[in-house]
Amino acid sequence: GESVGLHLPTLSVQEGDNSIINCAYSNSASDYFIWYKQESGKGPQFIIDIRSNMDKRQGQRVTVLLNKTVKHLSLQIAATQPGDSAVYFCAESWDTGRRALTFGSGTRLQVQP
Amino acid sequence: DGGITQSPKYLFRKEGQNVTLSCEQNLNHDAMYWYRQDPGQGLRLIYYSQIVNDFQKGDIAEGYSVSREKKESFPLTVTSAQKNPTAFYLCASKPGGVDEQYFGPGTRLTVT
Repeated sequence: GESVGLHLPTLSVQEGDNSIINCAYSNSASDYFIWYKQESGKGPQFIIDIRSNMDKRQGQRVTVLLNKTVKHLSLQIAATQPGDSAVYFCAESWDTGRRALTFGSGTRLQVQP
Repeated sequence: DGGITQSPKYLFRKEGQNVTLSCEQNLNHDAMYWYRQDPGQGLRLIYYSQIVNDFQKGDIAEGYSVSREKKESFPLTVTSAQKNPTAFYLCASKPGGVDEQYFGPGTRLTVT
């Protein structure tokens, strides 16, 4: 993903609303995608992942959608809570050798009480 | 209590000094990774290791070195050759056959 430097895209939602965070990935050969949540000064925490043979995967309050045609990934959070406030990163993996993750630049989610 | 530990949480060094960041995991994971994160940006891969005694350069390896003498340990040395060492450094690990990486809490390095 393209770096946005110090100015992360920010999504501001009301508590209880649904949130949708979008991500454009870079490599059409990517076969694995993952969403992480990162709170300030902490390491990323796993939220949900999906493989390229799927279009949708659901977890608890979260859903990931994959559109391979346009190389787009989205994370939906239902009934957003103040504790969901954080920076969210998508990452992709395509290198079968190293299986390292390539991260996007992130989106800051702010939940207003 | 299993997990990944990084120490210290905050580290301060003078320019021109080498510094080593610790990463330890007791998850019995085969692969370990080092990432660098700058303010408002995503993570960039520095080095990775898939097995003991073997490691490979990532996308931004210049000015860094690593070792993998034990499965549970993957220390990162930031050398004086790294032009902009001030950053948040994250270590991750994963078991074989799985793509999800587990991250440590990070070390914030400030070089003045």
